[in-house]
Amino acid sequence: EAGVAQSPRYKIIEKRQSVAFWCNPISGHATLYWYQQILGQGPKLLIQFQNNGVVDDSQLPKDRFSAERLKGVDSTLKIQPAKLEDSAVYLCATQTGRQETQYFGPGTRLLVL
Amino acid sequence: SQKIEQNSEALNIQEGKTATLTCNYTNYSPAYLQWYRQDPGRGPVFLLLIRENEKEKRKERLKVTFDTTLKQSLFHITASQPADSATYLCASDSNYQLIWGAGTKLIIKP
Repeated sequence: EAGVAQSPRYKIIEKRQSVAFWCNPISGHATLYWYQQILGQGPKLLIQFQNNGVVDDSQLPKDRFSAERLKGVDSTLKIQPAKLEDSAVYLCATQTGRQETQYFGPGTRLLVL
Repeated sequence: SQKIEQNSEALNIQEGKTATLTCNYTNYSPAYLQWYRQDPGRGPVFLLLIRENEKEKRKERLKVTFDTTLKQSLFHITASQPADSATYLCASDSNYQLIWGAGTKLIIKP
């Protein structure tokens, strides 16, 4: 089966600009997560979707970050405006309803200058 | 607050030896722990899951233990190979989500 797809793989922007990331989950995986991973740290959960509903967005900086999962399939994560501290890898992970295992995409590496 | 910790220093091991990585948790009792491998420029890949009522789990050259008294999980790679070099992440369940350690970088020298 195809894995989790993410695009773009790399993005360089200047602070105060906006950026969007896209994630296509494994077919049939109802749960989708967006994580932020700063170099040398573990993934930090930003938002969790169950189908197209938000389960948890308590750690999402809502003044600048937004995410949606239309039709319960693809998802986009947007940052507007970006700050220097947003430089990180943004990982998308998906999960079936019956397993604890998460399947990750390759991530999008964001550099904010 | 709930915390999961891994040794932040890189672990250097000679090829053929057993590598042992440690994961400690505090202020909660997870129902299970998971171990993932992450290579540079890639997302984490699931390796093993161990539940609180299991003391040990094995998969090929990998072995994971779970000690609820010590609040610790150990991850072993036997007969280590240079291809095992990567960062290994420990994660535990918390309110139907995973909380993650920072990972330990493992370097296997030929």
